[in-house]
Amino acid sequence: QQQVKQSPQSLIVQKGGISIINCAYENTAFDYFPWYQQFPGKGPALLIAIRPDVSEKKEGRFTISFNKSAKQFSLHIMDSQPGDSATYFCAAADSWGKLQFGAGTQVVVTP
Amino acid sequence: ETGVTQSPTHLIKTRGQQVTLRCSSQSGHNTVSWYQQALGQGPQFIFQYYREEENGRGNFPPRFSGLQFPNYSSELNVNALELDDSALYLCASSLRTEETQYFGPGTRLLVL
Repeated sequence: QQQVKQSPQSLIVQKGGISIINCAYENTAFDYFPWYQQFPGKGPALLIAIRPDVSEKKEGRFTISFNKSAKQFSLHIMDSQPGDSATYFCAAADSWGKLQFGAGTQVVVTP
Repeated sequence: ETGVTQSPTHLIKTRGQQVTLRCSSQSGHNTVSWYQQALGQGPQFIFQYYREEENGRGNFPPRFSGLQFPNYSSELNVNALELDDSALYLCASSLRTEETQYFGPGTRLLVL
């Protein structure tokens, strides 16, 4: 049973556009919600993370929006660049940091 | 670069064999977690080790086992390999007091 559901499976965005990826979780014991970026042949790299007591967090071009009552969170990538082309994973973790990942979204940024 | 290293980078085994994968944690990190990532899927939690003890396990059979050493490095052992064990195996290290996990580059295992 997948505890974190992620959509869309893939998306194509033009350079300068906005990429939006959505995730939903079920287990209310999760208290840490990171996003990871993964390039082919590499391990996932932490991009940005949020805790459920915060509704939004922004770091550079990346913003997480969090809706605790709906148990949903999303990643917005502003001013998308070709170098952002990668697979993005949302995840949810318990207090020990054990991660439950979404299925991933492959983002392609066209020039 | 996270400072987490894994070896080997690639490995080919045949069904029924046993394999050992190794991970060196980022300096100062005392917790190690292992994940299996099948092609085109998100990583799946296998287990976590803290102070040389297993601290939680995902939905993986007992033929997946691990060790953590006093220097916090770790091993993942898989016995009786099956074709479905073909995947990227990721190690992640962290501090017990923080949830952030830092991943290594992974070991790509192919079972024929």
